[in-house]
Amino acid sequence: QQQVKQSPQSLIVQKGGISIINCAYENTAFDYFPWYQQFPGKGPALLIAIRPDVSEKKEGRFTISFNKSAKQFSLHIMDSQPGDSATYFCAAIEDAGGTSYGKLTFGQGTILTVHP
Amino acid sequence: DGGITQSPKYLFRKEGQNVTLSCEQNLNHDAMYWYRQDPGQGLRLIYYSQIVNDFQKGDIAEGYSVSREKKESFPLTVTSAQKNPTAFYLCASKGQGRSPLHFGNGTRLTVT
Repeated sequence: QQQVKQSPQSLIVQKGGISIINCAYENTAFDYFPWYQQFPGKGPALLIAIRPDVSEKKEGRFTISFNKSAKQFSLHIMDSQPGDSATYFCAAIEDAGGTSYGKLTFGQGTILTVHP
Repeated sequence: DGGITQSPKYLFRKEGQNVTLSCEQNLNHDAMYWYRQDPGQGLRLIYYSQIVNDFQKGDIAEGYSVSREKKESFPLTVTSAQKNPTAFYLCASKGQGRSPLHFGNGTRLTVT
């Protein structure tokens, strides 16, 4: 099963708050988990990514938490800002020894709105 | 400045006409992809190609066709057989292994 389930569909947060977006997967062969940020009228851009041998990765205000046993991972945005308002997609890819290209399986996306 | 260029940004067509969306990359990536994005449905894979002159159907290939004659180019044709072609179309490319997809800025197609 190649599905990645993302929640919530939409999220409203006050400026300075924490935004949390969750994803769950079933395919245990997935071993690379990127998050993408998309602004209206633009293509998605890579935000942060994690491998399953790491439980947490932080880049600035963005943190990925990874729970391999539960097959879940989440994005936390600390001190959320109005400029973070965008659609966020989680994704997963199966990597066959580093030589395959594969195809990403995306979550359904979360529309984040940060109120000033 | 490496990246993916999609053109045009907006495209309008009458029902029954085929239309071709352009995608060019200068990232020297072998793999290229076409996604369709509809509100509330995330990104759905139409076609992908991992090498010149070869491509595979994605999850929603019906009504679409592609070609990959050059490494840099992966045009998508939306045919008249596509029942609901109005959407935002995204092209992407990727390097090997655990590398991210790089997306273009999309083409918004409206068919009336």
